Amino acid sequence: GAVVSQHPSWVICKSGTSVKIECRSLDFQATTMFWYRQFPKQSLMLMATSNEGSKATYEQGVEKDKFLINHASLTLSTLTVTSAHPEDSSFYICSARDREASAIAKNIQYFGAGTRLSVL
Amino acid sequence: SQQGEEDPQALSIQEGENATMNCSYKTSINNLQWYRQNSGRGLVHLILIRSNEREKHSGRLRVTLDTSKKSSSLLITASRAADTASYFCATDSSNTGKLIFGQGTTLQVKP
Repeated sequence: GAVVSQHPSWVICKSGTSVKIECRSLDFQATTMFWYRQFPKQSLMLMATSNEGSKATYEQGVEKDKFLINHASLTLSTLTVTSAHPEDSSFYICSARDREASAIAKNIQYFGAGTRLSVL
Repeated sequence: SQQGEEDPQALSIQEGENATMNCSYKTSINNLQWYRQNSGRGLVHLILIRSNEREKHSGRLRVTLDTSKKSSSLLITASRAADTASYFCATDSSNTGKLIFGQGTTLQVKP
């Protein structure tokens, strides 16, 4: 159980184009999803918290107009990197919390496999 | 800013040996979690320890938590080549569910 699907796993795009990444909870409902960015051999940096039916909360320094997040349903959140540039190349990972989990288990995050974005 | 600092950054051991990783954090926490990441993949949750717990076991994993020192350790006993991965501690300090990840320890287990 608690499977999160992230698609695509790898995308190459030209500078200036937009890229959409999908994050789906397959066997549970997720009121909250998180988007992270990870540089090679580094830790995860939280970009934003996505709540179903409301606007995402962005971390300091993350451009909300650059990284558009939509969480339209209890099982789907999308991250759109708009007008991508080479410096946006990175590994993007989403995670989700199980809405029906017990109190302490609600703190566990289930991760997608990540999306490697390369902007030429 | 990242809250957790982990050491060592890298660890290389032989199969069958034990591996110990340490994590330190800065603020008070609700709970601390350990995750594993295989190269180029997402993270997998390993174990959660609450702030009022001192030790927890799960299979070959043993986690300790010392809130007075703001530190935690993860012990993997009888390591296997398949344990080769990066291990991250993550702290939950708020009621928003946000986790702050440490820098991670890269473990290599040689067969």
